[in-house]
Amino acid sequence: DTAVSQTPKYLVTQMGNDKSIKCEQNLGHDTMYWYKQDSKKFLKIMFSYNNKELIINETVPNRFSPKSPDKAHLNLHINSLELGDSAVYFCASSGGTSGGAVETQYFGPGTRLLVL
Amino acid sequence: AQSVTQLGSHVSVSEGALVLLRCNYSSSVPPYLFWYVQYPNQGLQLLLKYTSAATLVKGINGFEAEFKKSETSFHLTKPSAHMSDAAEYFCAVGEPWGKLQFGAGTQVVVTP
Repeated sequence: DTAVSQTPKYLVTQMGNDKSIKCEQNLGHDTMYWYKQDSKKFLKIMFSYNNKELIINETVPNRFSPKSPDKAHLNLHINSLELGDSAVYFCASSGGTSGGAVETQYFGPGTRLLVL
Repeated sequence: AQSVTQLGSHVSVSEGALVLLRCNYSSSVPPYLFWYVQYPNQGLQLLLKYTSAATLVKGINGFEAEFKKSETSFHLTKPSAHMSDAAEYFCAVGEPWGKLQFGAGTQVVVTP
């Protein structure tokens, strides 16, 4: 059983479109994250939710909106896609209270987004 | 703010040779430090983490890392490289609320 799963695995779309990426974890964790990995492999956190509450919101364009319907799911919706949004997006989850600096994060396989 | 710096974006090692990946941190408080590995087209997987319990930390797949406060370092080593160790390795520091600050990564190539 996959611990952290993401759909779709690949996403190719045109500039200006709106798309969503879904993430689900079956680890019973309270905290979930979205990361962006650019073409140079650099990883940066975008958002974090703890028990459906937003706790980390980095400097990300308003076109990106996370939604957590329950603590096992964290989706990422992107409006008006731009060329620069092309990247790999990783979902992750961790246990413990409010994530915490020491908690291990478990990553999904990634969603490779290509904006044309 | 805390940060990590990985020295060397690419490392090439021969099969059976020592693997040494360097990571230095910057933190005003005792840090929580992590090494993650990313195999091609996959997500990240934890190798090991330092949580102040012991300065020498052993992880999976034969990797270990030593926390040296005097050198602000957390270098990753493996005595004998295997072909399956070819991957991207990331050092990271943990901040409140689970925020991980990653280094730029080091790609390891293992040659026969």
